[in-house]
Amino acid sequence: ETAVFQTPNYHVTQVGNEVSFNCKQTLGHDTMYWYKQDSKKLLKIMFSYNNKQLIVNETVPRRFSPQSSDKAHLNLRIKSVEPEDSAVYLCASSPHWGEFQDTQYFGPGTRLLVL
Amino acid sequence: QQQVRQSPQSLTVWEGETAILNCSYENSAFDYFPWYQQFPGEGPALLISILSVSDKKEDGRFTIFFNKREKKLSLHIADSQPGDSATYFCAASATSSGQKLVFGQGTILKVYL
Repeated sequence: ETAVFQTPNYHVTQVGNEVSFNCKQTLGHDTMYWYKQDSKKLLKIMFSYNNKQLIVNETVPRRFSPQSSDKAHLNLRIKSVEPEDSAVYLCASSPHWGEFQDTQYFGPGTRLLVL
Repeated sequence: QQQVRQSPQSLTVWEGETAILNCSYENSAFDYFPWYQQFPGEGPALLISILSVSDKKEDGRFTIFFNKREKKLSLHIADSQPGDSATYFCAASATSSGQKLVFGQGTILKVYL
């Protein structure tokens, strides 16, 4: 099956803890992204990677750090989570960087709840 | 500042009716407008898209109407079905910004039998 896979589906943690989310795509795409979808469903780009290189880093707090071992994997680590980090984190991929008409394919998301 | 705005926030239609979802944008550089459909517990999926050089795009029951001068577009869903109940996102990107998509806040569509 070719798709974008994310783990875990759901994670509950306490303020100040560290969390890590994983994303893997089997579509053979070069470009991957992390989005944050807040409680009002607003989607905002956080990071863009092309062939495991960071291309775009939006204004995101420094406690967020993406990591990519190869072009099929993109992880997200959050050090010392805060209540406002509660959201759904969506991973996406697209065939090539710079092709503005390329479709972005999304994973099912990881829902984070910070208590 | 919200660059892409959608209305209404939520919409309810009966099965068989045409649902009309609206979108407006501010950045004149935007030239590609995809609409994404999201079901609960899933990620968004591309439904249909349009380039700014066109004023209409059809794909089955889904049609985008685009007005470049007014910076507005709309998604029409003809013969709405209960399975169309989902959140619809209008997004925009500019050739100059590569694949950076800016999303609207979404319209929640409910189709009743």
